[in-house]
Amino acid sequence: DQQVKQNSPSLSVQEGRISILNCDYTNSMFDYFLWYKKYPAEGPTFLISISSIKDKNEDGRFTVFLNKSAKHLSLHIVPSQPGDSAVYFCAAKYNDYKLSFGAGTTVTVRA
Amino acid sequence: GAGVSQSPSNKVTEKGKDVELRCDPISGHTALYWYRQSLGQGLEFLIYFQGNSAPDKSGLPSDRFSAERTGGSVSTLTIQRTQQEDSAVYLCASALGGPLVYEQYFGPGTRLTVT
Repeated sequence: DQQVKQNSPSLSVQEGRISILNCDYTNSMFDYFLWYKKYPAEGPTFLISISSIKDKNEDGRFTVFLNKSAKHLSLHIVPSQPGDSAVYFCAAKYNDYKLSFGAGTTVTVRA
Repeated sequence: GAGVSQSPSNKVTEKGKDVELRCDPISGHTALYWYRQSLGQGLEFLIYFQGNSAPDKSGLPSDRFSAERTGGSVSTLTIQRTQQEDSAVYLCASALGGPLVYEQYFGPGTRLTVT
């Protein structure tokens, strides 16, 4: 299942700068998108989500943008902090309960 | 209360042996999912339980894989006659039922290594 793709396996950013994580999808039936964050030896934790009827959702330092025509969403983290260093997964809902996940992007925030 | 717990955290087994992986969901969560994450891959859906409904087993990769959920709470994923390609991190997640059932809470996972 490659319906959700995160083409950048890793991202390195300096503390205080913006982190931009990208996600592309192929299934136009996806109606809800989520970002999860994962620390080593822990399970993913829910970070932020967006409905397909919106193009932006903001929660503190985290903003998710959705471009339906391009089948693309992005997660912006501003400003980036050392505690943001983790693996970030993009996920898309394709029925009442199933999510399709990307392979993840490892973010490293440099001090 | 406590989050989702899984045991064991690590399991090394020989090819051909059977293994059982356990998941304790968050109390009150009626939905329970099992996923598998192989190296460099996204989370692969395996099975979904919701209350007393028949589980969605559509993601199980072969008949060597099975799962049960007793009393609507604890779940066990069983892999029979393990193969090296079964090596992966197995993640369990639970969720409240209803319209937000897709907002899942994950356990720390079980890392399975088949030698």
